[in-house]
Amino acid sequence: EAGVTQFPSHSVIEKGQTVTLRCDPISGHDNLYWYRRVMGKEIKFLLHFVKESKQDESGMPNNRFLAERTGGTYSTLKVQPAELEDSGVYFCASSQVVPRVGGYGYTFGSGTRLTVV
Amino acid sequence: RKEVEQDPGPFNVPEGATVAFNCTYSNSASQSFFWYRQDCRKEPKLLMSVYSSGNEDGRFTAQLNRASQYISLLIRDSKLSDSATYLCVVMSGGTSYGKLTFGQGTILTVHP
Repeated sequence: EAGVTQFPSHSVIEKGQTVTLRCDPISGHDNLYWYRRVMGKEIKFLLHFVKESKQDESGMPNNRFLAERTGGTYSTLKVQPAELEDSGVYFCASSQVVPRVGGYGYTFGSGTRLTVV
Repeated sequence: RKEVEQDPGPFNVPEGATVAFNCTYSNSASQSFFWYRQDCRKEPKLLMSVYSSGNEDGRFTAQLNRASQYISLLIRDSKLSDSATYLCVVMSGGTSYGKLTFGQGTILTVHP
């Protein structure tokens, strides 16, 4: 089974530019999550899709971030315009629709390391 | 106050040692609890779920105390390959069902 795929693996952009990150979840996983880890901080939740719908976007830092999941398959996270504080590692994760109580877990992608200079 | 608090360490232990990590969480409505492991520059990977009755997986034992909102992980007979960052993770319920809240992680280094 293919895992969660993210690309690019690394991106270096200048402040003010636009960057789009992509996540391909495991096939059949309706739940898709974005998380971010900035240097020195814990991994933080950004948002949660169920199929193509945003279930929870309470973690999105501001309106420079736009996430989409057209058709309920892959998702993109666009940062426009990028700021220095957006630097970090962006992780995507997916899970099946119905989690097993007590045994719930996600599969994470390997992340996109974003550096804004 | 952070939602999930961990001692960041680092813990430096010799091979064969027993090491314990602790974690507290603030949201009493949290539903599920996990320990993840993260190697340097890699993604987090599920180590084990944590149950109120306590559970064991080989050299790893996890405990949950809901009354104290406390989670622990015990690693026995440490191996060099156990060197990693251990993340205490809590899953929300209710309208935020499925959202994971991470602790900052505890760094473990096992040396020969």
